[in-house]
Amino acid sequence: DARVTQTPRHKVTEMGQEVTMRCQPILGHNTVFWYRQTMMQGLELLAYFRNRAPLDDSGMPKDRFSAEMPDATLATLKIQPSEPRDSAVYFCASGPEVYEQYFGPGTRLTVT
Amino acid sequence: AQSVTQLDSQVPVFEEAPVELRCNYSSSVSVYLFWYVQYPNQGLQLLLKYLSGSTLVKGINGFEAEFNKSQTSFHLRKPSVHISDTAEYFCAVSQGGYQKVTFGIGTKLQVIP
Repeated sequence: DARVTQTPRHKVTEMGQEVTMRCQPILGHNTVFWYRQTMMQGLELLAYFRNRAPLDDSGMPKDRFSAEMPDATLATLKIQPSEPRDSAVYFCASGPEVYEQYFGPGTRLTVT
Repeated sequence: AQSVTQLDSQVPVFEEAPVELRCNYSSSVSVYLFWYVQYPNQGLQLLLKYLSGSTLVKGINGFEAEFNKSQTSFHLRKPSVHISDTAEYFCAVSQGGYQKVTFGIGTKLQVIP
């Protein structure tokens, strides 16, 4: 049963620290997505990739967030510096197509 | 542009009763439609999808949805719910190709024993 994996599952950090979240997409999927979920804003698309190239990162605050795919088996989302308002659950998803997505379990980030 | 409206933020229903979760969409072109389920402290799981063909789509866990183009709706139904169906349900739409998927705000289904 192929699944998207995300690490870490939980992260508590202090304001100003760098945070790196990692995602391993399902083998064979060529699209990868990063979402953020909060009670107030719901599910927000931050960025997505196809064949490791960014298709759209307009949902991501560019001054502090960056998303990359160093290779087909790893996607990263970095926040530097982190702020309390970044506290949320961050989901990675992958899919065989942009419109068909399979989500990971999420990384719960708390910035104090 | 595409958008999704989930008309109910919360739906309480008694166990073994039927349920319908409503979803309407807007798009200027043909669409693909999806329902996802999110259990507490988990990611979203694809419940079912409509890409083309039969307008009645069957998914996992006994759920089904019907695509109604004239009413621009894609309501989710289950004839008899279980306690384990308590979760949040998200409707989503895509125009296909490389266009992103737009998610609704979610409907919390609470199954009452």
